[in-house]
Amino acid sequence: GENVEQHPSTLSVQEGDSAVIKCTYSDSASNYFPWYKQELGKGPQLIIDIRSNVGEKKDQRIAVTLNKTAKHFSLHITETQPEDSAVYFCAASPDNYGQNFVFGPGTRLSVLP
Amino acid sequence: EAGVVQSPRYKIIEKKQPVAFWCNPISGHNTLYWYLQNLGQGPELLIRYENEEAVDDSQLPKDRFSAERLKGVDSTLKIQPAELGDSAVYLCASSFGTSNEQFFGPGTRLTVL
Repeated sequence: GENVEQHPSTLSVQEGDSAVIKCTYSDSASNYFPWYKQELGKGPQLIIDIRSNVGEKKDQRIAVTLNKTAKHFSLHITETQPEDSAVYFCAASPDNYGQNFVFGPGTRLSVLP
Repeated sequence: EAGVVQSPRYKIIEKKQPVAFWCNPISGHNTLYWYLQNLGQGPELLIRYENEEAVDDSQLPKDRFSAERLKGVDSTLKIQPAELGDSAVYLCASSFGTSNEQFFGPGTRLTVL
């Protein structure tokens, strides 16, 4: 089955700097890759996603890139703010409708003021 | 619009006791998921419902775990008897139709003593 790895496990950046989180997946049939943000005591919330027919997607300060050949995708956050501090999870889905996600282990991002 | 509702938010029980978690998905969402999230890890799917039908329960430990979604709306996940290793956060999520986006509830944190 699908296996998703995520690096780094923890990341500290200064406010205003950029943060990059990388994920790799194993199943070449995966075609949907969401990123979720989880704040303390809350459930994960979708922040951005990308499908296999797209190489890059951007939404304000957040961008995701996908390299299908290498089976890796990355989350980029620019101009980080303290409220970006949270745990970020990547996921991959081999299902056409993205129903069965396999999540990575998560990255704890700390934005230092 | 109300989000996914879960109760209780916290539960402490002794091992070998039964426990039940309740989830009410977003109105109109036909797909419901139960995930297990261990400390420092990503969510892992336990069971997925399409309306009242469990379409994927391959990861549900059926010797002690059970779930139901009788009217295709809210759902209950039960553990009987609970073991120490069941201590975790149990997340419920829902999605609509063929949409990829899953909306998560805040989770129930279970502690088994």
